[in-house]
Amino acid sequence: NAGVTQTPKFQVLKTGQSMTLQCAQDMNHNSMYWYRQDPGMGLRLIYYSASEGTTDKGEVPNGYNVSRLNKREFSLRLESAAPSQTSVYFCASSKGDRVIQPQHFGDGTRLSIL
Amino acid sequence: SQQGEEDPQALSIQEGENATMNCSYKTSINNLQWYRQNSGRGLVHLILIRSNEREKHSGRLRVTLDTSKKSSSLLITASRAADTASYFCATDARGDKLIFGTGTRLQVFP
Repeated sequence: NAGVTQTPKFQVLKTGQSMTLQCAQDMNHNSMYWYRQDPGMGLRLIYYSASEGTTDKGEVPNGYNVSRLNKREFSLRLESAAPSQTSVYFCASSKGDRVIQPQHFGDGTRLSIL
Repeated sequence: SQQGEEDPQALSIQEGENATMNCSYKTSINNLQWYRQNSGRGLVHLILIRSNEREKHSGRLRVTLDTSKKSSSLLITASRAADTASYFCATDARGDKLIFGTGTRLQVFP
């Protein structure tokens, strides 16, 4: 009964380093999302994938890239990390891409950029 | 600024009391959702209310929606310590994407 699994849970990077955040869901959902959560800002959408094979930019895509590897997996890559990318990153999935569908979230990756 | 603004930002109550949180939004919506986030965890969907509904219940949760005032409220009755969490509203104001508010932090003391 895993739901949405994110790895790693914590990561510290130096400015300029790159890394990939992994996300996998076992609910056979079509749509997947990456958000970042900052204090006082709520959740902001970085990228989303409405279905396997498609990806689109969200509200704050600069500095990130994504890959929808298959129906289960959606990864987020930071090519050259910056301190402004220090945040908690959440992956979510939903049955479809209609906003009426509830989203299911992972427990987040806490990322610090020094 | 965020589409959804929750009020208050923080709320502290005793077990057994009711907790009311409000969400205001700026543009017209088709539906509004409420989510809960426990400390260190992801968000969990609580309830969805459509724009043509005025009130909805789920267990100890009661959600109201007033589209004329562009506001919604979440009432948790007979609060428990386990209800301690942050609560977020999310709207579909951008048509195809959910927009989350900044949340209300609820602390329920035993």
